Order: sequence, then C-alpha cells, then structure tokens
Amino acid sequence: DIVMTQGALPNPVPSGESASITCQSSKSLLHSNGKTYLNWYLQRPGQSPQLLIYWMSTRASGVSDRFSGSGSGTDFTLKISSVEAEDVGVYYCQQFLEYPRTFGGGTKLELK
Amino acid sequence: EVKLQQSGDELVRPGASVKMSCKASGYTFTDYAMHWVKQSPGQGLEWIGTIIPLIDTTSYNQKFKGKATLTADKSSNTAYMELSRLTSEDSAVYYCARSPHYSAWGQGASVTVSS
Repeated sequence: DIVMTQGALPNPVPSGESASITCQSSKSLLHSNGKTYLNWYLQRPGQSPQLLIYWMSTRASGVSDRFSGSGSGTDFTLKISSVEAEDVGVYYCQQFLEYPRTFGGGTKLELK
Repeated sequence: EVKLQQSGDELVRPGASVKMSCKASGYTFTDYAMHWVKQSPGQGLEWIGTIIPLIDTTSYNQKFKGKATLTADKSSNTAYMELSRLTSEDSAVYYCARSPHYSAWGQGASVTVSS
C-alpha cells in the first residue's frame, strides 16, 4: 500500500499569515500520462470532508484562490495564503494512483 | 446541485449487521462511481471500497473484504453498504463520496456497536 505521511503545523497560525501543509508519499504519484494522482481535502469541525485540490494543483469548484497545491512525484505542499477563520479544521492528502486508496493522517490547523 | 443523503445513525449489537444507504440526487447516478470512507472516533479517513453503479463493479480495501458489501440500486439512485459481524472496532462515522475526486460527500452516518 502507498503510505501517505503528513507534517504538522506550528499551531496556532496567526490570522492573515500563510500556512503550508506537507504530504509525502511512499511511491511516486506521477503517472506516465503526466498527471499526479493526489487530492487535498479539508474537514471542518463537525462537518464532512470537502475537496479542495485535485490532480495535485487544480482547485475544486468554488474553492478560494488562497489555496494552492504544488509538488513533485512524492513530496507535496498545500499552501494557504492569508489564513482565515473558515480555514480551521483538519487537512488530508490522498493518493488515487493505486488501490487501496490511502489518506494521510491529517494536519490540524488552528487559528490564533 | 449534487446531493448525497445518507441514512441515519445506528446503534447495533455486537455480532449483528447493519445496512446504510446513500441516496444521490442532482446528477445521473450511473455516470459516477461511489466511494465509501470510514472515520473512527478522533481518527483519520480510511477508504473502504468503491462501486461503479453502471456495471455493478466493486473494488474493496483488502482490510474490509468480508466486512463490507457495496451495492447500488439504479432504480432509486441509491448506494448501499452493509457491514457484517460488527465489533467495537466498527464503531465509526461512515461517509459516501462521489467521483470524480470525492467531489461530493454525504453528511455521514454514525454506527455505534454496543451491547
């Protein structure tokens, strides 16, 4: 199975500052078709997860442009510029290159 | 608007089974795969399996083979997941989520296994 490992944030993050969440995969998620099979989700407190980013760097519909995804085949970053109260929650990365689909353990963002 | 409406929370006895539903609306049910995800208390997300309603094909996480059974009813646009031989380890919130990219999620259904 592909293992997804997420880094922690130096919480709490001051409002208006930027935050970067890291995710590392145990195998390259870069397919021969040129696409990277990585998604990012946010789960706000008491809510279902929601898709933020797919194909490593494409924002989902309705997602603020304060969110951006980048990376290589095995190392990925979700950047949140100018953190706001609505960004509080747990962020998950997920690979969908292979079965079983696997998620990172989550990174909690708290606001100062 | 795409909507996934899950059935209600369940309290079940150890050793019993439970079947939960995920009713889809706002799109053509057979056009997209449906995934199921487990979230144990205070824990992260775990992929259980996926069903393609158009052709009734399923893929399972090896960990959940024999535990979870995924089905879909095209006539009612509803996906189902049955969990069998329940133990305390199965107490969790279960989500359905639609392809592509898990772009829509149900509200979750809590299963509590307790005598």
